[in-house]
Amino acid sequence: EAQVTQNPRYLITVTGKKLTVTCSQNMNHEYMSWYRQDPGLGLRQIYYSMNVEVTDKGDVPEGYKVSRKEKRNFPLILESPSPNQTSLYFCASSFTGGSNQPQHFGDGTRLSIL
Amino acid sequence: GESVGLHLPTLSVQEGDNSIINCAYSNSASDYFIWYKQESGKGPQFIIDIRSNMDKRQGQRVTVLLNKTVKHLSLQIAATQPGDSAVYFCAEIPGNQAGTALIFGKGTTLSVSS
Repeated sequence: EAQVTQNPRYLITVTGKKLTVTCSQNMNHEYMSWYRQDPGLGLRQIYYSMNVEVTDKGDVPEGYKVSRKEKRNFPLILESPSPNQTSLYFCASSFTGGSNQPQHFGDGTRLSIL
Repeated sequence: GESVGLHLPTLSVQEGDNSIINCAYSNSASDYFIWYKQESGKGPQFIIDIRSNMDKRQGQRVTVLLNKTVKHLSLQIAATQPGDSAVYFCAEIPGNQAGTALIFGKGTTLSVSS
C-alpha cells in the first residue's frame, strides 16, 4: 500500500531534550516536506526536500533541522525543543516538487513539549 | 499577504443534500489547486485537483470549479454522506515557485447529519 509513515504518532517530552520524528514513503517520491498544523494558523511548511541531499527552508524553519540521506526517509529533528513547538506535524511527499503534483500526507505526529 | 482562504468555517447539511464548499485565493500566479479532506486524527487526504487552464473537473461524487476571473474555487459534493464529515482545505501552488509549499486555506468543517 502506497503510504507516508510517521513515527511516533504521539510524544510528550520536556524542553531541551532532543527528539527526532521519522518520515518514510514507499512511493519513490523525490519531493518530501514537513508541515505543522496549529489552530487558527492552518498548515505551514517547515522544510522541504527536492531530492536526496537537497533540502531547503519553508515558512517556519526556526528550531528545526532535517536531513535527506535516502530517498525514502526525511526525518525532522528538534535539537532543543521548546513549548512553542507543541503542535501537530505532518510529513508529505510527491513525485516531484513542481506544480501539478498533489502531495500525499502521513497521519501526523502530535508533539507536546512541556 | 497572498493567501488562500475559505468563506465559511463551518457547513452543516443533511444526508443526501449536495454540499458546496468555497474558497477564495489571491495569488493570480497560482496555476494548480487541490482540495484535501482531513478527518479527525488523520492527515489531509487528496480529493481532487485542477489546473489553471481548466474551469471544471469531476471525480466520483465531487466536482471542483475554478473561476479565475474572481479567483474563486469551489468543491461540490453530491449526495453528501455522513462519511463526508471532515475538515476540507483548499490549497494552491503558485506557478512561479517551484518545489515549495502548498498554501493552505484555514479549512471548512463539514457536518453531515442523518
